[in-house]
Amino acid sequence: AQTVTQSQPEMSVQEAETVTLSCTYDTSESDYYLFWYKQPPSRQMILVIRQEAYKQQNATENRFSVNFQKAAKSFSLKISDSQLGDAAMYFCAYRSAGGKLIFGQGTTLQVKP
Amino acid sequence: GAVVSQHPSWVICKSGTSVKIECRSLDFQATTMFWYRQFPKQSLMLMATSNEGSKATYEQGVEKDKFLINHASLTLSTLTVTSAHPEDSSFYICSARDRTANYGYTFGSGTRLTVV
Repeated sequence: AQTVTQSQPEMSVQEAETVTLSCTYDTSESDYYLFWYKQPPSRQMILVIRQEAYKQQNATENRFSVNFQKAAKSFSLKISDSQLGDAAMYFCAYRSAGGKLIFGQGTTLQVKP
Repeated sequence: GAVVSQHPSWVICKSGTSVKIECRSLDFQATTMFWYRQFPKQSLMLMATSNEGSKATYEQGVEKDKFLINHASLTLSTLTVTSAHPEDSSFYICSARDRTANYGYTFGSGTRLTVV
């Protein structure tokens, strides 16, 4: 079975600085998708970025980018120029072949003004 | 973009009663709906997967007789918590796959259930 691990329960970053959230996963599948979701206090899940495993190029969405290391099964999220609105809980997720999303434990990000 | 409307957003019920939560895809056909449970400051735990017109597939440890899932149409899936007890109090979230958006996932806004 696939597992997703986020080893940082909480992270803090100064506004305008850069922060990296870690995620590792375990799978025997060769083709899969990885995601980062943001859950603000409203608890609405918001897609931040997604990566197809067959693509070697790291995905980027404006201030958000990933470092996808397939061999190491690592999928970290980098947030550049952090903003107060980035404060939220961030979840790393793996999509299995059956379509299920498996979430990591989550990392609460605090952005200090 | 794709929207999943989830209702109610919060509900308080008495122990022993049943509560129904609805998730409706507003502008796409949701062939597959996922139901999650989330405790405060914790991860989303998948409870079950439902496909339109067929029985739901429950994750290990989830009581299918307690958490009844119906996916009778391509736009509506419901989760009924039967004979609710205080330990069922939680945040429940649905998520639908959208074929028109490369099978992306759209989440409902969640339902906070409190059983007293």
